[in-house]
Amino acid sequence: ILNVEQSPQSLHVQEGDSTNFTCSFPSSNFYALHWYRWETAKSPEALFVMTLNGDEKKKGRISATLNTKEGYSYLYIKGSQPEDSATYLCASSKAAGNKLTFGGGTRVLVKP
Amino acid sequence: EAGVAQSPRYKIIEKRQSVAFWCNPISGHATLYWYQQILGQGPKLLIQFQNNGVVDDSQLPKDRFSAERLKGVDSTLKIQPAKLEDSAVYLCASSFPIAGGLGTQYFGPGTRLLVL
Repeated sequence: ILNVEQSPQSLHVQEGDSTNFTCSFPSSNFYALHWYRWETAKSPEALFVMTLNGDEKKKGRISATLNTKEGYSYLYIKGSQPEDSATYLCASSKAAGNKLTFGGGTRVLVKP
Repeated sequence: EAGVAQSPRYKIIEKRQSVAFWCNPISGHATLYWYQQILGQGPKLLIQFQNNGVVDDSQLPKDRFSAERLKGVDSTLKIQPAKLEDSAVYLCASSFPIAGGLGTQYFGPGTRLLVL
């Protein structure tokens, strides 16, 4: 993996269902993996930052895992609600204070 | 704590015109970033400032884009002349550099530019 890639590009989820999506990143010279949530007409909001292999983070119904050896992270949404509709961006960095390289995002639409 | 402020929020111009965007970072944040996000793609870093010095501008199209942060606080990004492919959201972000820190960036709401 040379770039940060996210899949799928978009997904529709029924309210109450759980879902997950993937971020793949270069595993060499890895420092940190960031997840952001970007709602329409708002600022991207930081959700998680993870550095260690096996890291798991949780915020309410949203959680994320990190595998630095194989270069991927999963983000999970449990019991999706309409307010979870947003674009979820992941970004990796190679050093402290280094620039973030973003994936293309996963656009999530939760249908009532 | 006030967030990152950007203006204008929306701008429509014709190709070959000039446009400028303004950003005021979170107070005390020494590092400021400008990103370009084209529809369907992730944000791409255009330029990174540390106080009033440029750290990284390797992806800034310098023939038409310029940016400054004269007093190490707010910043302006300019496009002159604009092309159709410059239609995008321009995001500003800031961070408080801490040695060994994780580098979380805080974003403004962006400026949506449409070039006709």
